Amino acid sequence: KAGVTQTPRYLIKTRGQQVTLSCSPISGHRSVSWYQQTPGQGLQFLFEYFSETQRNKGNFPGRFSGRQFSNSRSEMNVSTLELGDSALYLCASSLLGQLTDTQYFGPGTRLTVL
Amino acid sequence: AQSVAQPEDQVNVAEGNPLTVKCTYSVSGNPYLFWYVQYPNRGLQFLLKYITGDNLVKGSYGFEAEFNKSQTSFHLKKPSALVSDSALYFCAVRDEGGSYIPTFGRGTSLIVHP
Repeated sequence: KAGVTQTPRYLIKTRGQQVTLSCSPISGHRSVSWYQQTPGQGLQFLFEYFSETQRNKGNFPGRFSGRQFSNSRSEMNVSTLELGDSALYLCASSLLGQLTDTQYFGPGTRLTVL
Repeated sequence: AQSVAQPEDQVNVAEGNPLTVKCTYSVSGNPYLFWYVQYPNRGLQFLLKYITGDNLVKGSYGFEAEFNKSQTSFHLKKPSALVSDSALYFCAVRDEGGSYIPTFGRGTSLIVHP
């Protein structure tokens, strides 16, 4: 099976712009989570989608949003970019979104905001 | 609330020597514990998990971890380190009675010297 894929892998934007990142989970996986990783803050949870519904949400401002499609593919959007949004954005999928499930991560999208 | 601690930011070990990366956790119920490895500019790769049963869990690439309930620890071990094991290691925990969203440690950088 193909792993989790994320596009694009690298992105450079300027302050004030908006960006959309895409994630394709492992085939059959229904839960998709998004994380922001920075050297200073580590891994921070953004949100989780299960069967097209946002099931969990982290403590990020409303500029960060996401959605999940019927084929489980997910997108996240960041509007009005700030310098502090520069980070590695990771997507992870799991089969049924249960507590014992393993999350499988994609390679990430490296976002740089200038 | 659930929490996890990786008390060492960095672990140095010589190639061929045994390695240990430490992880302690705190949960209200039973823990579900995970180890991941991250290579530079890559996503997290799953190594192993403890859900229930045998306290010694074997995983990918020769790694294993020992669950110790009395010490609330889940240390990652390998009998003989390779230079290629040099990477960032993350421990994560979910509480049996808690949220699907795991809490990740801040990561431990493992450096294996030739």
